[in-house]
Amino acid sequence: NAGVTQTPKFQVLKTGQSMTLQCAQDMNHNSMYWYRQDPGMGLRLIYYSASEGTTDKGEVPNGYNVSRLNKREFSLRLESAAPSQTSVYFCASGASGRIDNEQFFGPGTRLTVL
Amino acid sequence: GESVGLHLPTLSVQEGDNSIINCAYSNSASDYFIWYKQESGKGPQFIIDIRSNMDKRQGQRVTVLLNKTVKHLSLQIAATQPGDSAVYFCAENMGNYQLIWGAGTKLIIKP
Repeated sequence: NAGVTQTPKFQVLKTGQSMTLQCAQDMNHNSMYWYRQDPGMGLRLIYYSASEGTTDKGEVPNGYNVSRLNKREFSLRLESAAPSQTSVYFCASGASGRIDNEQFFGPGTRLTVL
Repeated sequence: GESVGLHLPTLSVQEGDNSIINCAYSNSASDYFIWYKQESGKGPQFIIDIRSNMDKRQGQRVTVLLNKTVKHLSLQIAATQPGDSAVYFCAENMGNYQLIWGAGTKLIIKP
């Protein structure tokens, strides 16, 4: 099992450009999450999907959109990138729809917006 | 707003000694807490969790203590090894799907 995979690993964008971060999990998990991590800080939840077909905003959703394509895949889209979105983005999945279960994280995507 | 904070940003420990990483939380309604380990360049990895109806939980070489009276959480790592070098995060669940994460403590192991 590959666990949680993310693509790309690195990306540089210019202000105003758009891109989609891809995430897939092969653990048959119900819930999936997108976080961002800024230098020296903990993770902040952008969006989550408690189960296939549902998505909800997290703590910092502005400037992002998500799609739960199927049970395996959960993508994050930046429609018009801004320098404030420079960060490391982590996707995670969990077996249950409840938060009090272990979350498994991908390796992250390092995004720089110039 | 509510937040999770850590007392020390960096902790240096001699190899073989025990490590104690502390965390303060501010929301008395939080009912679930997790410790994660993040090695350089990797995603966070679950270490141990504890529910608010418990005050202690043990895993392999790790123990989490919860003191609800003073809203304090600690992670104890026994016989610290070089592989324990990482940033450790505590996170709290405020009763919904959102985990609130602390800023992290960097654990450095001295040979």
